[in-house]
This record gives sequence, structure tokens and C-alpha cells, in this order.
Amino acid sequence: KAGVTQTPRYLIKTRGQQVTLSCSPISGHRSVSWYQQTPGQGLQFLFEYFSETQRNKGNFPGRFSGRQFSNSRSEMNVSTLELGDSALYLCASRRKLAGDQETQYFGPGTRLLVL
Amino acid sequence: SQKIEQNSEALNIQEGKTATLTCNYTNYSPAYLQWYRQDPGRGPVFLLLIRENEKEKRKERLKVTFDTTLKQSLFHITASQPADSATYLCALDFLASGGSYIPTFGRGTSLIVHP
Repeated sequence: KAGVTQTPRYLIKTRGQQVTLSCSPISGHRSVSWYQQTPGQGLQFLFEYFSETQRNKGNFPGRFSGRQFSNSRSEMNVSTLELGDSALYLCASRRKLAGDQETQYFGPGTRLLVL
Repeated sequence: SQKIEQNSEALNIQEGKTATLTCNYTNYSPAYLQWYRQDPGRGPVFLLLIRENEKEKRKERLKVTFDTTLKQSLFHITASQPADSATYLCALDFLASGGSYIPTFGRGTSLIVHP
């Protein structure tokens, strides 16, 4: 099975612009989560989508949004980019282990640099 | 608020020794605790998951313990190899309002195994 894929891998934008990142989960996985990783804050949860609906949301401003399509592919959008949005953006699909345990399979990430 | 602490200083050990990494948490009653490995520029990779009612879990050279009284997990790598050099992240799952478990990650500890 192919893993989680993310595009693009690298992106350079300037302040005030907007950006859209894409994620394709592992085939058959219906849940997609997005995370932001920075050296200062570590890995922080942005939001989770399941069956095209946002199921959970982290503590980020409204400039960060996302959506999920019927084929489970997901996009996240950041509007009015700020310097502090420079980060590695990771997408993960959720997989069930034994019983009710679940884990996350992460993609390689999109490295966003805001100038 | 919930807090997860991992040693921010890198752990340097000699090849063949056992590496022990620590994850402490406060204000939390996690259902699960997970350990991930992350290599530079890549997404985290799931290693092990342990439930709150389990004391210990093993997988090949890896061992995780979970002490809910001390609010601490220890992650051991026996017979360490230079290829084990990476950042190891601890994540605690909590039940979010959307009805799914969301992992909250520590900042990670860098392990360097010297030949």
C-alpha cells in the first residue's frame, strides 16, 4: 500500500499570501489530521477530518482551514501568511490497531517558508 | 493545562548500550501513550502504543513502560545501533470533543548513538 503523500514538499511564499497544501491518505483510511511542527512549539494539532467533516480542531486562528473530499484526500489552506507560519506541515491518516487502539501514519510533510 | 515533558538535551550513548528516554506528563489522564521516531526532514513514524492499564510493552529491541501513578513513560532501546539515531517523540492520546482520540506530542528527545 502506498503511504501518505503530501504535495508540494517545499514551498516559499511571502507575507500576506495564501497557500494550499494537499494530502492523500493511505488507501481506505477515512480520517486525515493535520499538524504544524516548528522548533519552538513542536508538533501541534491543527484539525482532523473524517468523511468530509471536520471532527476536531486545535487551537489555531481562523486563517487556518481545511477540507476533505469524498475520496478522503484533504487540503489545508492558510490565508494572509505570517512569518510565524513557517513550519513543517504534516498530514496523518489514522489506522486502527487491535481493539479500539489507533495510531497515526504521517506523510513526509510540506516545508513552508514565509518571507 | 496538559503538559508533556521530554528531555530537550540530546542523549549520547555508545553503540551496544541501552538507551533510555523519558516522557513525563501532568494534568492528564491519557487513554494511550505512543512513541514515534522522527528523522530530520521527515514525518514521525509510529513505533509502539501502550494502554493506561498496561505496564510494559515490547517489540524487538524496543520496550516501553507506562506508570500512571508517576505519570511517566520510559522508552528503552537495547543493543543500540548508529541507525537508531533520531528524535523520539512521546504522544499522549486524549478523547476530544469530536469523539476521537487526538495525540498531543512532546517536543522529542534526540538520540545519538556513537559507533
